[in-house]
Amino acid sequence: GNSVTQMEGPVTLSEEAFLTINCTYTATGYPSLFWYVQYPGEGLQLLLKATKADDKGSNKGFEATYRKETTSFHLEKGSVQVSDSAVYFCALTTFSGGSNYKLTFGKGTLLTVNP
Amino acid sequence: SAVISQKPSRDICQRGTSLTIQCQVDSQVTMMFWYRQQPGQSLTLIATANQGSEATYESGFVIDKFPISRPNLTFSTLTVSNMSPEDSSIYLCSVEGERGRQETQYFGPGTRLLVL
Repeated sequence: GNSVTQMEGPVTLSEEAFLTINCTYTATGYPSLFWYVQYPGEGLQLLLKATKADDKGSNKGFEATYRKETTSFHLEKGSVQVSDSAVYFCALTTFSGGSNYKLTFGKGTLLTVNP
Repeated sequence: SAVISQKPSRDICQRGTSLTIQCQVDSQVTMMFWYRQQPGQSLTLIATANQGSEATYESGFVIDKFPISRPNLTFSTLTVSNMSPEDSSIYLCSVEGERGRQETQYFGPGTRLLVL
């Protein structure tokens, strides 16, 4: 079956520090890969995605590259801000028949950025 | 992407009662999904709701406990029945992306449920 393993948290950084949150996956077929973010007290927002090998997703200064050879999709940001404090979820979908894509989540990584 | 709203945004309920959560989308979508996020945990898919057919439940979730309606292409409800404190969670609905991008799901703001 499909699974997503992401870096255990919590992660605490100072403002302007470099961020990496590791994510690796196991999937049958050709998954699409996602990072979702959940700010305190809110629902999930799509942060970025990549749908095929070597694609790079980017948004709000965050980037992640779909690496098929290492089955990874690590999230990076060069300079974090206090407003980036949130829980980050790595996820994947594969086609499960009909028109249904099933979304599998990692456990989430809590990021706290201090001023 | 679609704009998704949920009602109520939060509620506190007594054990043994039921709560119905509504999910409204601003565009027509084929597939809607209901997830549970227990405190400090990741998301777990409860069921997939396709308009005009019975919802498909994941292992560990049953229709008697989580009945779902999907009366049209923009609306769905999830009922949490005979609640216990273990049902305290965030319940989120999501929808698939537009044609050609169905692999992407977009989420509503969630319903925060506390059962006493």
